Amino acid sequence: AQSVTQPDIHITVSEGASLELRCNYSYGATPYLFWYVQSPGQGLQLLLKYFSGDTLVQGIKGFEAEFKRSQSSFNLRKPSVHWSDAAEYFCAVRGNTPLVFGKGTRLSVIA
Amino acid sequence: EAGVAQSPRYKIIEKRQSVAFWCNPISGHATLYWYQQILGQGPKLLIQFQNNGVVDDSQLPKDRFSAERLKGVDSTLKIQPAKLEDSAVYLCASSPDRGFGNTIYFGEGSWLTVV
Repeated sequence: AQSVTQPDIHITVSEGASLELRCNYSYGATPYLFWYVQSPGQGLQLLLKYFSGDTLVQGIKGFEAEFKRSQSSFNLRKPSVHWSDAAEYFCAVRGNTPLVFGKGTRLSVIA
Repeated sequence: EAGVAQSPRYKIIEKRQSVAFWCNPISGHATLYWYQQILGQGPKLLIQFQNNGVVDDSQLPKDRFSAERLKGVDSTLKIQPAKLEDSAVYLCASSPDRGFGNTIYFGEGSWLTVV
């Protein structure tokens, strides 16, 4: 069965600084990988997804993620964080079952 | 295009009472999911429907939870009797079908507090 680890529970960055959220997955074959964002009191919104092909994928709101098979990682990045990016971020993997989520990383943005 | 609709958004009940949540998926989506998200954790799949049939309910606590999707569109998730540990957000989601490449779209969730 697949699993996801998000090592960082909480990250604080300054507005305008770069961001990288870590995600490691476990799955025997090539997985389908997703990043979702959840703002307070809201549902989950898809930021981006990787199925195959180019290992660097672009998403909404200026986010991108890079799939590294050798490291079993799918880290999320943004070059310049905005205050509105403060939210909970979930990495998820889909193999032979529906989405399995990590525990999430809470992002705080300070001025 | 309308998104996944859920109601009620918020519910507070006492333990041992019952509660029901309703979900209307995106039009035309054959696959419907219910996830449970406990505070501080990622969502966990409770049950998956394909049209009006159950595909996976292996993580549904069947002694107290039940779900149905009678006409292959709307779905209801029921908890009876509720326990304190059922306090969570119940997220409904849908996708066009079961294909692994399909994006799963989530509703805003139904927030349950059991006191």
